[in-house]
Amino acid sequence: QSALTQPASVSGSPGQSITISCTGTSGDVGGYNYVSWYQQHPGKAPKLMIYEVNNRPSGVSNRFSGSKRGNTASLTISGLQAEDEADYYCSSYTSSNTLRFGGGTKLTVL
Amino acid sequence: QVQLQESGPGLVKPSETLSLTCDVSGYSISSGYYWGWIRQPPGKGLEWIGSIYHSGGTYYNPSLKSRVTISVDTSKNQFSLKVDSVTAADTAVYYCARHWGTRYYDGSGELGHFDYWGRGTLVTVSS
Repeated sequence: QSALTQPASVSGSPGQSITISCTGTSGDVGGYNYVSWYQQHPGKAPKLMIYEVNNRPSGVSNRFSGSKRGNTASLTISGLQAEDEADYYCSSYTSSNTLRFGGGTKLTVL
Repeated sequence: QVQLQESGPGLVKPSETLSLTCDVSGYSISSGYYWGWIRQPPGKGLEWIGSIYHSGGTYYNPSLKSRVTISVDTSKNQFSLKVDSVTAADTAVYYCARHWGTRYYDGSGELGHFDYWGRGTLVTVSS
C-alpha cells in the first residue's frame, strides 16, 4: 500500500505558525477520524502528538493542533520553537482494515 | 508508566527468519489494546507491519502479510514478530508499540493511534 502524501519539507521562523498536510482518499483520511500525527527527533522513537484528527495526549503542548477537511488532514504548530525541529508523520486507518503512514515531513526551524 | 522494550538478533542472514520480542511493563497485555510492530529503514519513513489484539486477531500490512506472523503471550506479557525469507530490504529499525483500536463482537475493528513506543532495535540483513 502506498504512503499518504505529505510535503517532504516545511520551514518556519521561531514564533511563526506552520501547517503540514496529509492527503489520502475517501478510503482512509476522508472516511475515518482515526488520523494521528507523530513527531520524531533523530535517533528517537516517534512520539504521539495528535490522535483522532484533533485530540492532544496529556503532556503535549497546545501549540500543536489537528484538523481535517475532506481527504486532507493537517497539523498546525503555532509559536514555533527550536525544539519543534523534527520529522512529522501522519497515519490513518483504511477501509481495508490496515494502517497507512504518510511519507514524512522534515520541519526546519530557521 | 507503560514501557515497551524490543529484543532480538541485530544481524540476520538473507533468506532466514527475523524474530523479535517486545516485553511490556507497567500494563497487562491481557487488559486490552492492540499491540503493533512498525519499522523504519535507514533514512526512510515509517511502515506499519501489523498489529494483534490482546486476545488474538491480527491485522497485517498487505505488502508483508505473506511473510509476517505476530503472536502474543499474555503469560509473559510480551508479543512477538517473525518475518520469513528476509532480504536486504528488510533492514530497518523495528519498533513495537501499544496500539489503540476498537474491537466488535464479530471480530472486526478499527485501528487508531500508537500511544506508547519502544526505543526501537536495528536489524540488519546481511551475510
